[in-house]
Formats: sequence, structure tokens, C-alpha cells
Amino acid sequence: GENVEQHPSTLSVQEGDSAVIKCTYSDSASNYFPWYKQELGKRPQLIIDIRSNVGEKKDQRIAVTLNKTAKHFSLHITETQPEDSAVYFCAASTAQGAQKLVFGQGTRLTINP
Amino acid sequence: GAGVSQSPSNKVTEKGKDVELRCDPISGHTALYWYRQSLGQGLEFLIYFQGNSAPDKSGLPSDRFSAERTGGSVSTLTIQRTQQEDSAVYLCASSLGSLPNTEAFFGQGTRLTVV
Repeated sequence: GENVEQHPSTLSVQEGDSAVIKCTYSDSASNYFPWYKQELGKRPQLIIDIRSNVGEKKDQRIAVTLNKTAKHFSLHITETQPEDSAVYFCAASTAQGAQKLVFGQGTRLTINP
Repeated sequence: GAGVSQSPSNKVTEKGKDVELRCDPISGHTALYWYRQSLGQGLEFLIYFQGNSAPDKSGLPSDRFSAERTGGSVSTLTIQRTQQEDSAVYLCASSLGSLPNTEAFFGQGTRLTVV
């Protein structure tokens, strides 16, 4: 089955700097890659997703890139702000079989003022 | 409803007792997931329901765990003979259809504490 690895587990950056979180997946049939943000004590919420027919997607300060050949995808946050502090999860899913979302282990991002 | 609803929000139980956790998905959502999140950890897949298909139970950690979904809507996760290692937040999520076409929406979770 699918296996998703996420790095780093913790990340601390200065406010205004960029943050990058990387994930790799094992199943070449995976074709949907969402990113979720979970603030302390709250539920995970989708912030951006990418499908395998595109290599990059941007939404204001966040962007996701996908390299299908290497089977990895990354989340980029620019001009970081204190409210970006949270745990971020990547996930992968296929259009075949169980189609379940398989999550990475999460990255705790801290923005230092 | 406005979103995925889970009850109870908190549950404290004695070791060895059975517990039932409930999930009300968004109306019309055919896919439903249960995940477990231990303190400071990631999201561990437990079980997945999609329409009338047989559920994917591959993530259930032991035979003490079971789940059902009645009428394609409400789901109940049952943990029998609870152990301290079962303490975690249990999250339910639903989506309109099978992925990768739609977003999965999470409930607020049930925090289970086994004492």
C-alpha cells in the first residue's frame, strides 16, 4: 500500500522567511496530494492540493510542487507570519483500490517573531 | 449539517470498558474515514467507508476495534475492553465522493482518555 514520508518533523523559521516541507510517496499510482493545516486543538483543514496532471499550484503565499518522476511533493510558504504556526500534514491518494488518504507524520512549524 | 460532527467531544473511561464514538458526516457525503491521532503524533488511518462498498478495515489496530456505518450516513467506532494505549483523539472525516475528486472535511474529534 501507499506510504508517505514527511520531513522535517519540526521546523522553526523567522517571521518573514520562507518555509519548505517535503513529502515522498511510494505508490506511483497516487494522483492526488492535499496539504492540511492543524492549529493547536483544532481539526485539520485543507489549505491546498495538487493533482498529478500539474507540476505546481499557488495560492497567495502558499504553493505546492509535485515531481511525479521522483515521487515527491513539497509545500512552500513565503513571507511567513505568526498565524502560520501549526502542524502541517501532507497526504496522498490513488484513484484505484481503496482510494483512502494516507498521511505523512506531520511537521510542526513555528514562526518566530 | 454545517460540518462533520463527532460526539462526545471528550470521553474518559476505565480500562476494560467498552466505548462508542459517533460521527455524523456532512449530508450527502458518501465517503467516511476514521483516523486516530495520539498526542503530538500524525494521523493514523483506521477505517474507510465508501457508499455501499465493503469497508477498508486495514488500519484497525486490533480486533477490539470495529466500526459500522448505518444507512450510508452516521458511523460508530466501537472500542471493546479499552486499554491505556487507546487514549488518543479519534477524528472522523467525510467527502462528497471518492477521492481524488473532492476535499475531505474533518470533525473536531473525540478525545478518549482511558484511566
